[in-house]
Amino acid sequence: NAGVTQTPKFQVLKTGQSMTLQCAQDMNHEYMSWYRQDPGMGLRLIHYSVGAGITDQGEVPNGYNVSRSTTEDFPLRLLSAAPSQTSVYFCASSYNGGNEQFFGPGTRLTVL
Amino acid sequence: ILNVEQSPQSLHVQEGDSTNFTCSFPSSNFYALHWYRWETAKSPEALFVMTLNGDEKKKGRISATLNTKEGYSYLYIKGSQPEDSATYLCAFLPGGNNAGNMLTFGGGTRLMVKP
Repeated sequence: NAGVTQTPKFQVLKTGQSMTLQCAQDMNHEYMSWYRQDPGMGLRLIHYSVGAGITDQGEVPNGYNVSRSTTEDFPLRLLSAAPSQTSVYFCASSYNGGNEQFFGPGTRLTVL
Repeated sequence: ILNVEQSPQSLHVQEGDSTNFTCSFPSSNFYALHWYRWETAKSPEALFVMTLNGDEKKKGRISATLNTKEGYSYLYIKGSQPEDSATYLCAFLPGGNNAGNMLTFGGGTRLMVKP
């Protein structure tokens, strides 16, 4: 199993550009989530999904959209990037939210 | 926003020392507490999932205890080794309507073990 994969690994955007961070898992996990990691702030939950077709907001959802059309994929969309969205983004999955989370390798995003 | 705090923020120990860290979380509406180990340039990996008051979990030289009544968990490392150097994260999950879905992470304890 590949586990949780994320693409791209690195990305530089200009303010106002849009992009999608990809996340996929091959463990048939129902629960998937996105976090951002900023210095001194730890991991903060952006959005999560408890199954295909179901998504909900986490602690810091503003500026991000998600969808979950399949069990395997959970893309994160930045509609109009801002410098405040410069961060490292981690996707995670688990059988359900209460179980241990399996994290992807992360995407380092810089918004200029 | 839930308050999940970890202390200390960082810790330097010598190889062979035993050490422990604290995770504090809300004492009401508890669902689960997770511990993760996060090495530099890697992704967090789960150590323990704890759900019951009084839980004690052990994996090799690392163990954890849980007190949901007072809202804290301790992580212990016995005989620290350089390979234990990492950031240790705890994550609190509340119960209620979104039981187990909204993980709130603490800021982490960064452990550095000197040979």
